[in-house]
Amino acid sequence: AQSVSQHNHHVILSEAASLELGCNYSYGGTVNLFWYVQYPGQHLQLLLKYFSGDPLVKGIKGFEAEFIKSKFSFNLRKPSVQWSDTAEYFCAVISGGATNKLIFGTGTLLAVQP
Amino acid sequence: DVKVTQSSRYLVKRTGEKVFLECVQDMDHENMFWYRQDPGLGLRLIYFSYDVKMKEKGDIPEGYSVSREKKERFSLILESASTNQTSMYLCASSRQEPYEQYFGPGTRLTVT
Repeated sequence: AQSVSQHNHHVILSEAASLELGCNYSYGGTVNLFWYVQYPGQHLQLLLKYFSGDPLVKGIKGFEAEFIKSKFSFNLRKPSVQWSDTAEYFCAVISGGATNKLIFGTGTLLAVQP
Repeated sequence: DVKVTQSSRYLVKRTGEKVFLECVQDMDHENMFWYRQDPGLGLRLIYFSYDVKMKEKGDIPEGYSVSREKKERFSLILESASTNQTSMYLCASSRQEPYEQYFGPGTRLTVT
């Protein structure tokens, strides 16, 4: 079965530190990749997505992610985090022919200290 | 803006009760989904629907059923609630393509 792994379960950073959250998936064929964010008390919302083309994708609020097919990875990055980035981050994948079924990772809780 | 609404933010029910969770989307999306979110487990798909009256089981359908009588509305039913169904329930919708899913605010269900 397809799976998504997020190895960092809980990350604590100081403001202005750089962020990289790992995401690996198990499916070898065509994939669509997503990062969602859930701010405290708010809906899950889309941060960025990769369908095809440039493997470096930019999302909202200064986030970016790089799709590396050979490593089955889609890591999320931000050069300088802010206190307002405190949230839970979820990586998700749809594999080819899966009729829109998103497979989610277990999430990474990011706490940014002012 | 796409809007997905859920009937309750918080719900407390007793063991054995029948529970209905309602979800409505206003963007004419074909697909609708029910997930449960538990700490350390991420989101797990319970059921989804790609058309009116159509449904497919997700990864954890046991103890749940769904109903989609109208395109905009997708209901999750707990036939006989149990304490292990205490969780946050999220509804989502999407078009057939692109696959981006839009989420509702969630219903935090406590079964005592």
